[in-house]
Amino acid sequence: EPEVTQTPSHQVTQMGQEVILRCVPISNHLYFYWYRQILGQKVEFLVSFYNNEISEKSEIFDDQFSVERPDGSNFTLKIRSTKLEDSAMYFCASSASGRAEETQYFGPGTRLLVL
Amino acid sequence: EDKVVQSPLSLVVHEGDTVTLNCSYEVTNFRSLLWYKQEKKAPTFLFMLTSSGIEKKSGRLSSILDKKELFSILNITATQTGDSAVYLCAATQGGSEKLVFGKGTKLTVNP
Repeated sequence: EPEVTQTPSHQVTQMGQEVILRCVPISNHLYFYWYRQILGQKVEFLVSFYNNEISEKSEIFDDQFSVERPDGSNFTLKIRSTKLEDSAMYFCASSASGRAEETQYFGPGTRLLVL
Repeated sequence: EDKVVQSPLSLVVHEGDTVTLNCSYEVTNFRSLLWYKQEKKAPTFLFMLTSSGIEKKSGRLSSILDKKELFSILNITATQTGDSAVYLCAATQGGSEKLVFGKGTKLTVNP
């Protein structure tokens, strides 16, 4: 069964460093998403991406975040200058369309720890 | 502010028990409600509900939506230890691609 994959599974970085989280969405899906879950809190939407551009973003997704689809399979989230409060589990998701009735399928997540 | 509230936040039962998990929502332009099961990592999709009163069923799991009272329930019958997980409820809205999640219900099934 097709699935969303993410690498790395864990990432430890120093405050102020740049990190890139990688995702391979399900191959025939067209919409891609990033969510994060700070330990003990809700899963929160960060950004959605379609046709090589951001289609929606939350207040959390500020200038230190960026997303990119560098090739036909990968989808990345870059955090330019990490802060302690960026420590969280980051989930990538994909869906066949962006309609509200379309199921989003999640990857296993990358646990980011900023020291 | 759009919100999804789940209850209880945690629940401990014995194998064979039946459990009911609750999810209420207040979101503008509501379209659908989704249930996910989160074990160690990825939320895995269980159900999507768009119509009121129509039960969706998969094995021992079932779910129903009440769009008048703005809530959904997830039932698990004859629970097994493998049902232990956090169950997440999320709502979608017309004109938006995001999922609005609740905090989840942590279910622990003891042998």
